[in-house]
Amino acid sequence: DGGITQSPKYLFRKEGQNVTLSCEQNLNHDAMYWYRQDPGQGLRLIYYSQIVNDFQKGDIAEGYSVSREKKESFPLTVTSAQKNPTAFYLCASSRGGIAYQPQHFGDGTRLSIL
Amino acid sequence: SQQGEEDPQALSIQEGENATMNCSYKTSINNLQWYRQNSGRGLVHLILIRSNEREKHSGRLRVTLDTSKKSSSLLITASRAADTASYFCATVPPFSGGYNKLIFGAGTRLAVHP
Repeated sequence: DGGITQSPKYLFRKEGQNVTLSCEQNLNHDAMYWYRQDPGQGLRLIYYSQIVNDFQKGDIAEGYSVSREKKESFPLTVTSAQKNPTAFYLCASSRGGIAYQPQHFGDGTRLSIL
Repeated sequence: SQQGEEDPQALSIQEGENATMNCSYKTSINNLQWYRQNSGRGLVHLILIRSNEREKHSGRLRVTLDTSKKSSSLLITASRAADTASYFCATVPPFSGGYNKLIFGAGTRLAVHP
């Protein structure tokens, strides 16, 4: 079945540590996105990528980095510069940067600080 | 920045009743989308309604859009316990550069009791 796989489901970060969240899709979608969700709030866009080897900052990119070396994969690194990383992170994809295309989401990674 | 604001923040009903959730937004839109999120899971796309449409149906879901009032409503008829989830509206600004940027509200938490 086609879909988006995020791993791990739970992740713990120590002070000063970088951690990487995995996102893989087999939907053959061009565009991929990373969102952050805090309790009781909507989603905020961290980074997005419309094609391989290209990505753009979203609304809250500070303290995060991404890469897009393959169409299927869009990993997110939460760096030590992100001082409040505890949140639920969601990866999504869509057929392209066309306004009419809905986004498909993975089941998220919950990141906590040790 | 959040554009959509859902109302109410929380809604509790009995099975078989109808549930109505509202979304208001501030600026013009290309389209408005509704998503469902079960606890601890990713978002699932429900319906997309374009700015030139007034109403759309999908199974037990009915979405209306009033661009003059900058508001939308989601009606779930004959609700079931399985409808228990958070529901988010997301707006897409007028088309520019081909990127499908969704701006999410904080969501309505719906609880349907057997």
